[in-house]
Amino acid sequence: EAGVAQSPRYKIIEKRQSVAFWCNPISGHATLYWYQQILGQGPKLLIQFQNNGVVDDSQLPKDRFSAERLKGVDSTLKIQPAKLEDSAVYLCASSLVFGGHYYEQYFGPGTRLTVT
Amino acid sequence: TQLLEQSPQFLSIQEGENLTVYCNSSSVFSSLQWYRQEPGEGPVLLVTVVTGGEVKKLKRLTFQFGDARKDSSLHITAAQPGDTGLYLCAGAGGSQGNLIFGKGTKLSVKP
Repeated sequence: EAGVAQSPRYKIIEKRQSVAFWCNPISGHATLYWYQQILGQGPKLLIQFQNNGVVDDSQLPKDRFSAERLKGVDSTLKIQPAKLEDSAVYLCASSLVFGGHYYEQYFGPGTRLTVT
Repeated sequence: TQLLEQSPQFLSIQEGENLTVYCNSSSVFSSLQWYRQEPGEGPVLLVTVVTGGEVKKLKRLTFQFGDARKDSSLHITAAQPGDTGLYLCAGAGGSQGNLIFGKGTKLSVKP
């Protein structure tokens, strides 16, 4: 079974430029997550999709970040304009939806963004 | 706001030593997960604990969930260089079971 795919793996941009990241989840996984992981910290949830609908985007800086998941499969995360503090690894994860306590999430390798 | 505190933040030991990593919160979680993350990769799930007091073993790794479901520990016996990595605990909270991560413990095992 193929894992979560992300591209690009690395991106360097100047502040005020825009950037987009792409994620392809595991086939059949209805739930997709985008996380931001700043160096030295754990991942922080930015947005959660259930199929192509947004479930939770409470921590997404909506003035500069946007995300979409057309057709409930692939997803893109965009930053426009980028700030220095956006330098981080952006992780995509997916999961099947369980009816129990927890949802096992599978992570992609991440995109390392450096804003100069 | 639910927070998870991990300790220690950094740990450097020699091969063959034992170690314990702690994950604490003032909040109750419905479940708690432990992940290991290597440089340039995403976190990989090691274990999920659900029941208060639960103990799970994965080869040389032993995971425990506190009775009150507010804390957890990871114990590694006879650490090996391959155990090197960032160990993250994550609690499932909220109606959607979203994960809240600790800051992680960076483990280095020297041969």
